[in-house]
Formats: sequence, C-alpha cells, structure tokens
Amino acid sequence: QLQLLESGPGLVKPSETLSLTCTVSGGSISSPTYYWGWIRQAPGKGLEWIGSIYYSGSTYFNPPLTSRVTITIDKSKNQFSLKLNSVTAADTGVYFCARLEWDELRAFDIWGQGTMVTVSS
Amino acid sequence: IVLTQSPGTLSLSPGERVALSCRASHSVSTRFLAWYQQRPGQAPRLLIYGAANRAAGIPDRFSGTGSGTDFTLTISRLEPEDFAVYYCHQYATSPYSFGQGTKVEIK
Repeated sequence: QLQLLESGPGLVKPSETLSLTCTVSGGSISSPTYYWGWIRQAPGKGLEWIGSIYYSGSTYFNPPLTSRVTITIDKSKNQFSLKLNSVTAADTGVYFCARLEWDELRAFDIWGQGTMVTVSS
Repeated sequence: IVLTQSPGTLSLSPGERVALSCRASHSVSTRFLAWYQQRPGQAPRLLIYGAANRAAGIPDRFSGTGSGTDFTLTISRLEPEDFAVYYCHQYATSPYSFGQGTKVEIK
C-alpha cells in the first residue's frame, strides 16, 4: 500500500528557506498516472494548495507563492521536495504531501500525515 | 475559482441527516470536484471524487451531487466518527482551490 511521509526541520527562522521532502513508499513516483502535491494548513485554518509536480518534472504553483516556491522530484530516491524561501510567520502551519490520481479520480487520494513547521526566531 | 462552503459550522446529533454546500465562483467540471473529510490532528481523507463518486472504502451514507457552480455533500445518517471538518476542492483551474471548510460538530 502506497504511503507518503514528510520530513524536514520543524523550526525555520524568518527570511530563511523552508525545505521539506516527501518520501513515497509502496509504489513508484514515476507513474504517468499521478501528480504529486504539497498542501499546507495554517493553525486553525483551512487547506491551501501550494503546488504540484509531474514525474516529468513539470510544475504548477499557486500564484501568490510562485515567486518563493520550488518543487523538485528525485525519481532515483522516490521522493519529491518543497522549498519555500523568504519565509515569515504567515508560513507557519502543517505541510502535507499528497498524491493526485489523474486518470480517474482527479483528486488527492493519498496523503502524508503532515509535518508541523514553525517560522520563528 | 473561489469555493464558498456553507454553513461554517453545523451542530447536529448522531443519526441526523446533513447537507453541506459548496458554491463555486465559476463553473467547475464535475470531473474535477472532490470532497474531503478532516478529523482533528489528521490528514484530509478523500470522500468523493468527480462530484458524485465515493472513494474506495467510503461508506454509502456519504453522497455527492451537483454540477456547474453548486455542489452538495450529504451524509444520510451521522455516525460519531463523522463529526469533522469537510472541504470541497476543485482541480479544474489553477490555482486549485479548497473551500474554507464546514465543521460538523456534536450538538
């Protein structure tokens, strides 16, 4: 059964770069059927799509974040990663990675457990 | 596309029927409209995809309907584990937005 697991620092200083990795186990990240995405949730708030990547490396970002976001994929490690630079307190929250099944569901069908990131000096 | 969910919070009892609304600012193809459930401290779980199709393992008390700009998630009979926050989501037009959520709480 496919599983996703986020990893990375739980504390990032303001103006620095938030870096997270999502490791995919139990399946291949290289399948053309799936996109891979990052979604975040500020404390007590709703869900915000950050961006998605296809196995080919094509990326799609939420416009307000485009200038600060990089998403990459490492097929050899079955991982994809998020970098968000110039962070502020507004970037504090739980960050989820998720798989989007494209052929039938067109929805995020498998999610990681989420990782809490706090931006603070 | 902005998704507006209503109401913000519902206070209900187990066994009741509930209908949650999701209204889109522009038409959304049903193929790209999904509903998720999020329990406290957990990741969201896919309930409904394609506006009306239950995801694997989702009980048949959950159903989705709608088209265009108006979509509804119905829970026919609330079970204790259904008290959670529900989000609609569209993956038709970037940015791929979520609604702000509807919290279903125990009365």
